[in-house]
Amino acid sequence: KAGVTQTPRYLIKTRGQQVTLSCSPISGHRSVSWYQQTPGQGLQFLFEYFSETQRNKGNFPGRFSGRQFSNSRSEMNVSTLELGDSALYLCASSNGDHTGELFFGEGSRLTVL
Amino acid sequence: DAKTTQPTSMDCAEGRAANLPCNHSTISGNEYVYWYRQIHSQGPQYIIHGLKNNETNEMASLIITEDRKSSTLILPHATLRDTAVYYCIVRGSTSGTYKYIFGTGTRLKVLA
Repeated sequence: KAGVTQTPRYLIKTRGQQVTLSCSPISGHRSVSWYQQTPGQGLQFLFEYFSETQRNKGNFPGRFSGRQFSNSRSEMNVSTLELGDSALYLCASSNGDHTGELFFGEGSRLTVL
Repeated sequence: DAKTTQPTSMDCAEGRAANLPCNHSTISGNEYVYWYRQIHSQGPQYIIHGLKNNETNEMASLIITEDRKSSTLILPHATLRDTAVYYCIVRGSTSGTYKYIFGTGTRLKVLA
């Protein structure tokens, strides 16, 4: 069974640009959640999608957005990039059950210059 | 969401049991305790979870106190590959509460 796939793995952008990250969940999983990890703030929840609907949202500005497609694949977008957006962005999939564990991808490492 | 408190770091000798404590004194009745670990530069990996009873799987054991205010993750025979950051998370089971709140975790170092 293939795991969670995130693309791209590494990318470099400059301030003011935008970026789109992609996540393909484990087959059959309908929930995809996104996390930002930085040395200073640790792992922080961004949002969760279930069956194409945003089900929960963390405390991030509107520059951070996401969506989920009918095949459960998800994308997140960050517009008007700031230096502080440099981070490891992790995607996790689950079956969406309230006790279901999360399966994480390897992450997309974004560097903003 | 209930908050968890974990020691910042711990050392454990290879082959010995690693006991990682977690305090979650504000846990409510329908919240589960989850443990994940993150090995450097990889995504977190699920270890185990429980509600009130002790749980065991091939990776670890989870001991939850009777009042559910604290728990301990036990790695019975730690190896060098168990060196990682371990996160204890409390997560609600009611519909709509699906976000995990990760704390700073415990950095476990297994020593040869």
